[in-house]
Amino acid sequence: DAGITQSPRHKVTETGTPVTLRCHQTENHRYMYWYRQDPGHGLRLIHYSYGVKDTDKGEVSDGYSVSRSKTEDFLLTLESATSSQTSVYFCAISERGIGSNQPQHFGDGTRLSIL
Amino acid sequence: DAKTTQPPSMDCAEGRAANLPCNHSTISGNEYVYWYRQIHSQGPQYIIHGLKNNETNEMASLIITEDRKSSTLILPHATLRDTAVYYCIVRVSASGATNKLIFGTGTLLAVQP
Repeated sequence: DAGITQSPRHKVTETGTPVTLRCHQTENHRYMYWYRQDPGHGLRLIHYSYGVKDTDKGEVSDGYSVSRSKTEDFLLTLESATSSQTSVYFCAISERGIGSNQPQHFGDGTRLSIL
Repeated sequence: DAKTTQPPSMDCAEGRAANLPCNHSTISGNEYVYWYRQIHSQGPQYIIHGLKNNETNEMASLIITEDRKSSTLILPHATLRDTAVYYCIVRVSASGATNKLIFGTGTLLAVQP
């Protein structure tokens, strides 16, 4: 299995509080991704990174920010959590991006509940 | 972006081959077909991918039609542990430096004892 660790694995918090989820990889892959998974929607891309300090928005980026200060860590922040952000969050990594057919490998997810 | 269509659910007897279909009629020439699966409460697991030739690995085989408008994932001897949601994905050929995946709702494969 790809060396991807997500933390925390579970979190319950209140509306309006900031939340940061961490994805840590030991594969030295350049590309990292954050998805959320909700019933009836499959997985949807929030943000992705194509290198240290290089990030871009995905399909559902509103209310989320990311940072990548080193290759191995990709952080997802909810500045002011809302109940609509209750979801399961998955981090993924891939070795290459454009022009590549390299697959993405996923972590085991963080289950976030916002009350 | 090419979209995929999969049946919402399928059953398969344990030990038999599971054949999961996927339609991707708008696929373009440089887009790959990927298959992932997700077992309950776990992250998606990569299975196999291909462009136009049939592919086989230790997990499965991928059969892509000659016109590339559909494909079939074959699990040769399904076990109870293969019960999962299977996603067929066409990789978006983005102009930026990424290989974004767009997941649909997949097929729930239930392997029966």
